Amino acid sequence: NAGVTQTPKFRILKIGQSMTLQCTQDMNHNYMYWYRQDPGMGLKLIYYSVGAGITDKGEVPNGYNVSRSTTEDFPLRLELAAPSQTSVYFCASRPLAGGRADTQYFGPGTRLTVL
Amino acid sequence: RKEVEQDPGPFNVPEGATVAFNCTYSNSASQSFFWYRQDCRKEPKLLMSVYSSGNEDGRFTAQLNRASQYISLLIRDSKLSDSATYLCVVSLLTGGGNKLTFGTGTQLKVEL
Repeated sequence: NAGVTQTPKFRILKIGQSMTLQCTQDMNHNYMYWYRQDPGMGLKLIYYSVGAGITDKGEVPNGYNVSRSTTEDFPLRLELAAPSQTSVYFCASRPLAGGRADTQYFGPGTRLTVL
Repeated sequence: RKEVEQDPGPFNVPEGATVAFNCTYSNSASQSFFWYRQDCRKEPKLLMSVYSSGNEDGRFTAQLNRASQYISLLIRDSKLSDSATYLCVVSLLTGGGNKLTFGTGTQLKVEL
């Protein structure tokens, strides 16, 4: 049981390039989330999904896109990377119900630098 | 006013000390409350949930005061391994499920 996995761990992009951050969970969780964390700041929600085929914007969605074709995968797409997108990106998931339904489980993060 | 406010610290304490962190939240409709721990360059991990009646897990005690919209975390007998950033997290139920709002974290450094 790997939990939430993210790839890549690190990436350097040039301004204007695009990339996809991968996130996979093997806990059969319905809810999945993407956050970004800037130095000295709290986590900000980018996008979230309540199940396969359903996604919605969070607090800071501009410059990003997501899709959720399966329960397990929730990739985050950056189009036209900008220096302001330099951050650490965390994917998280949680179950629909149950005793720990309020608890989100985080992946190890992807450190992205845009130069 | 920030949705969740914490003193950023750092709190530098000697091993064995007792240290307390505070957190305030602005949305009175918030329903669930948590403390997460985040080690340097790692993902946040749930430390404990916080209940109105107060709850304890070993050396850690969490308290919630809904009237004052205030959450606390007390760490007794601090260990070097407690050095980390502690995130206060508040949950609000929305149409898309629970929305977590994170504080910026309080940094703790436990020293010999």
